[in-house]
Amino acid sequence: NAGVTQTPKFQVLKTGQSMTLQCAQDMNHEYMSWYRQDPGMGLRLIHYSVGAGITDQGEVPNGYNVSRSTTEDFPLRLLSAAPSQTSVYFCASSYSGTGTLYGELFFGEGSRLTVL
Amino acid sequence: GENVEQHPSTLSVQEGDSAVIKCTYSDSASNYFPWYKQELGKRPQLIIDIRSNVGEKKDQRIAVTLNKTAKHFSLHITETQPEDSAVYFCAASLGTGTASKLTFGTGTRLQVTL
Repeated sequence: NAGVTQTPKFQVLKTGQSMTLQCAQDMNHEYMSWYRQDPGMGLRLIHYSVGAGITDQGEVPNGYNVSRSTTEDFPLRLLSAAPSQTSVYFCASSYSGTGTLYGELFFGEGSRLTVL
Repeated sequence: GENVEQHPSTLSVQEGDSAVIKCTYSDSASNYFPWYKQELGKRPQLIIDIRSNVGEKKDQRIAVTLNKTAKHFSLHITETQPEDSAVYFCAASLGTGTASKLTFGTGTRLQVTL
């Protein structure tokens, strides 16, 4: 199993550009999520999904869109990048929700995004 | 929503000493409290967790305690080793079932010196 795979690992954007961070998992996990990690602020939840076709907002959803058309994939879209979105982004999945017995989050390697 | 505070932000101990990291949470309905370790440049990984119906859990050199009344939980690492150097995140999960959300603390950078 590859686990959780994120691409790209590094990306530089100009303000106003759009891009998609890809996330795929091969563990048949129902729950998938996106976090951003900023110095001194920990990991903050952007969006999450409890299954194909179902998504919901987390703590910091503004400026980001998600969709979940398959169990395996959960892309994160930045429609118009801003310097405030410079961060390290982690995709994470679990077999079921984080409050359940099988809620351990498995993280991808992270994607470092810089917006100029 | 849930708010998790974590202290200290940095912690330096000598090899062999113990380390304690403390977290408080705001919502008494939170029911699951995991701890993740993130080594430099790596992804976070679960090291131990505790549920609201348990007061203490131990796994070799690490232990977690939970005080529901005070709404705080702590990570204890004994006999620290250089490989324990990392950033540690506490978290609290609000809600049950698949729709639960995990809120992380701001992290503690632990440095174990020789």
